[in-house]
Amino acid sequence: GAGVSQSPRYKVTKRGQDVALRCDPISGHVSLYWYRQALGQGPEFLTYFNYEAQQDKSGLPNDRFSAERPEGSISTLTIQRTEQRDSAMYRCASSLTGGYGYTFGSGTRLTVV
Amino acid sequence: QKEVEQNSGPLSVPEGAIASLNCTYSDRVSQSFFWYRQYSGKSPELIMSIYSNGDKEDGRFTAQLNKASQYVSLLIRDSQPSDSATYLCAVNMMNNQGGKLIFGQGTELSVKP
Repeated sequence: GAGVSQSPRYKVTKRGQDVALRCDPISGHVSLYWYRQALGQGPEFLTYFNYEAQQDKSGLPNDRFSAERPEGSISTLTIQRTEQRDSAMYRCASSLTGGYGYTFGSGTRLTVV
Repeated sequence: QKEVEQNSGPLSVPEGAIASLNCTYSDRVSQSFFWYRQYSGKSPELIMSIYSNGDKEDGRFTAQLNKASQYVSLLIRDSQPSDSATYLCAVNMMNNQGGKLIFGQGTELSVKP
């Protein structure tokens, strides 16, 4: 596609529910990244993929968070048993190859009530 | 010590002046450096990248890198009210080999007419 597409744009969920956030990167981009951004802060790294391989998941806060990119294109970030502290803007980005600047999607605003 | 540090601001400059935004990073092996602009409520947008010591100019923007001092800066000449945004410094430690970008907290710039 023309840009990085994320869905849904907004998600309100009850505490304890699972949520899945989707990212569709720019066509042909090898690298895909997930970040979380709190208000007034810079993006915080969560995980990234080259093709379908998860290269680094050191930023995932705990084992309730997981991500996959099974066919090397669309990626899903899943949060199980959501907690209020998971509320944030979740941003996906992609780049042609690693080491270069990213293009960010519009983000998913997650609110856990 | 944070990996990437920026003054949070706000930095206020009059229209037409030069805005100077600064960033320091902790990891000496860092190889790639980026500046992103983020308007309120929007996603970060890549505006400059720099990979070697010295200056890199693009229109009204100049990025400066000093690896010995672990310092990168962004100068905006002839500042316009439309430049008012948060500017994020980002550092990648793995030149052309993939790897995550580490972001600073951002510096809020306000350009007064």
